[in-house]
Parts: sequence; C-alpha cells; structure tokens
Amino acid sequence: DAKTTQPTSMDCAEGRAANLPCNHSTISGNEYVYWYRQIHSQGPQYIIHGLKNNETNEMASLIITEDRKSSTLILPHATLRDTAVYYCIVRVSAAGNKLTFGGGTRVLVKP
Amino acid sequence: KAGVTQTPRYLIKTRGQQVTLSCSPISGHRSVSWYQQTPGQGLQFLFEYFSETQRNKGNFPGRFSGRQFSNSRSEMNVSTLELGDSALYLCASSPRTSTNTGELFFGEGSRLTVL
Repeated sequence: DAKTTQPTSMDCAEGRAANLPCNHSTISGNEYVYWYRQIHSQGPQYIIHGLKNNETNEMASLIITEDRKSSTLILPHATLRDTAVYYCIVRVSAAGNKLTFGGGTRVLVKP
Repeated sequence: KAGVTQTPRYLIKTRGQQVTLSCSPISGHRSVSWYQQTPGQGLQFLFEYFSETQRNKGNFPGRFSGRQFSNSRSEMNVSTLELGDSALYLCASSPRTSTNTGELFFGEGSRLTVL
C-alpha cells in the first residue's frame, strides 16, 4: 500500500470548517483513499473513502486532486466531539480488510 | 444493531503467561480483523479471518495466533507474553473480505498490560 503523509497536529475553531490534508504521491491507480478517525479510548471509526471523484456523506467531504497525489478531508462544521486523531489510508480493494495506519493528524477543536 | 463486542476490556498478565481475547462481530458480518495499538508503533494489522480461514497476516511473531468460529466470533491468543505485548488490541468486523468499501467496524478494544 502507498505511504501517506499527514501533519502531526492541527487546531480548529468550533463551528468552522476543518480541512485535513493528506499526501499520497505514490498512490497507484487501483488504490482507494480512506479516512478513519479515533476518538480517545475508542476504536477507529470509518469516515469516508474515494477513488477519483470527490465524495460527500453525512460526516465529511473528501476532495481528491486530479493527479490523485493528495487529498483533503473536510469537516464542514467542526464540533468539540470531532476532537480525535484522523488517519488517511490508501488501500487496494484486493487487500481485504488489512489497513495500514500511519501516525495520523491529531485534531483539537477549540471552543 | 449491536456493535463489535470485545472481551475482556482490561486485563493484566505477567511475562511468560498466555492470553486469549475474544471478539463478537456485528451480526451478519463474516470478516474479523485484529489490530494492535501501542504508543510506539501505532495501529498495526495482526490478521484477518473470513469464513473460519485466515486470509491475511501481519508481520508479527508466531506467538500471536487467532481463529474464527462458524458463528464468525473470533479469538486471538498471545503466548509467552513479553512486556512489549502491552497494548490495546482492537477487533474489527466487516460484511465480507476483499471489498472496496473498506469500511471496518471497530470494537472498543481489549487493553492488555503485561507486568
């Protein structure tokens, strides 16, 4: 699986959009981009995934650049409950359910 | 719908002992994966089971083993415990393997402390 690079930490103001970048410059054509988050003392939680097109669900939006070498997870209106470590993962579908987690971005939402 | 259930939530063992952790997946889910989380190494994949067969294995020594039962429940075992095995062990379930949804449902984990 391709390696990802994320900032170690970032702060965000409550109610504002949080934009989390991820670099995956070695991504292959058949690799998907996934985002998970882990709130303290809980198991990781799936957020969203995409291959080429931008995706949106009730939790977030995923913007993937045209060359697919980077992506941005957008939390449209951050709340205090969004404070967590966010992981960007790239994975081929044939990898089954093996996910390779990096260090993630520690996001602190401040009032 | 009940989530992924892991037992026990907390346990303390001493070096050299063995431990068995249990995971009950979401009803209808047939794939179970195990992950180890430590402060130093982060989240690392241990193995995945589907239909009672190990489908994938991470880079861990043979002291780490697992199995899956016909009802999809899974157990993992660590023998001859070492101090470095202290970690949060997470179980995740999914309806199937080799799916491009990549959506895993994680339990809250079993926190193992080895003294």
